[in-house]
Amino acid sequence: AQRVTQPEKLLSVFKGAPVELKCNYSYSGSPELFWYVQYSRQRLQLLLRHISRESIKGFTADLNKGETSFHLKKPFAQEEDSAMYYCALRLNSGNTPLVFGKGTRLSVIA
Amino acid sequence: ETGVTQSPTHLIKTRGQQVTLRCSSQSGHNTVSWYQQALGQGPQFIFQYYREEENGRGNFPPRFSGLQFPNYSSELNVNALELDDSALYLCASRAHGGEARGFFGPGTRLTVL
Repeated sequence: AQRVTQPEKLLSVFKGAPVELKCNYSYSGSPELFWYVQYSRQRLQLLLRHISRESIKGFTADLNKGETSFHLKKPFAQEEDSAMYYCALRLNSGNTPLVFGKGTRLSVIA
Repeated sequence: ETGVTQSPTHLIKTRGQQVTLRCSSQSGHNTVSWYQQALGQGPQFIFQYYREEENGRGNFPPRFSGLQFPNYSSELNVNALELDDSALYLCASRAHGGEARGFFGPGTRLTVL
């Protein structure tokens, strides 16, 4: 079965420090990987996806198939980055659902 | 802000009761998925509907059932509520074969006493 692991429940960093939120997955095929974010009192929303190779709000994530990882990174954390972050995968076939990790709460300290 | 809406926002029920949660999909989206998010957990897939038929189901018992209507709105029904059913219930809509991510609603917070 597919599984997404986010090893850190809580990550606290100082403003301006680099951030790395870890995500590892288990799936033998080629999944689509996503990072979702949930700010306080807001709905779950897509932050970025690996196929787009984009940078959103300064965040990037690179899919490493060898290590089955999709870590989220940002060089300089900002206070407004404080939120819950969920890594998710979707099987790259058909109309399949998202499989989420348990999430990491990022707290950026001023 | 997406066009996916859910009602009610909050709900309190007692064990053994039945509950119906509603979701209105974003315009043009014909596929809706429901997720359960327990406290401290990521969302877990319950089931998915496309063209008014269930076309995928997660590891949830049959007392979790759903409906999708011709206008693509959807319902999640849970019978014989248990304390562990207390959670945030999310729906996500997308166009079939379209962008994979889904657009999430704000959720319904269900508390079972």
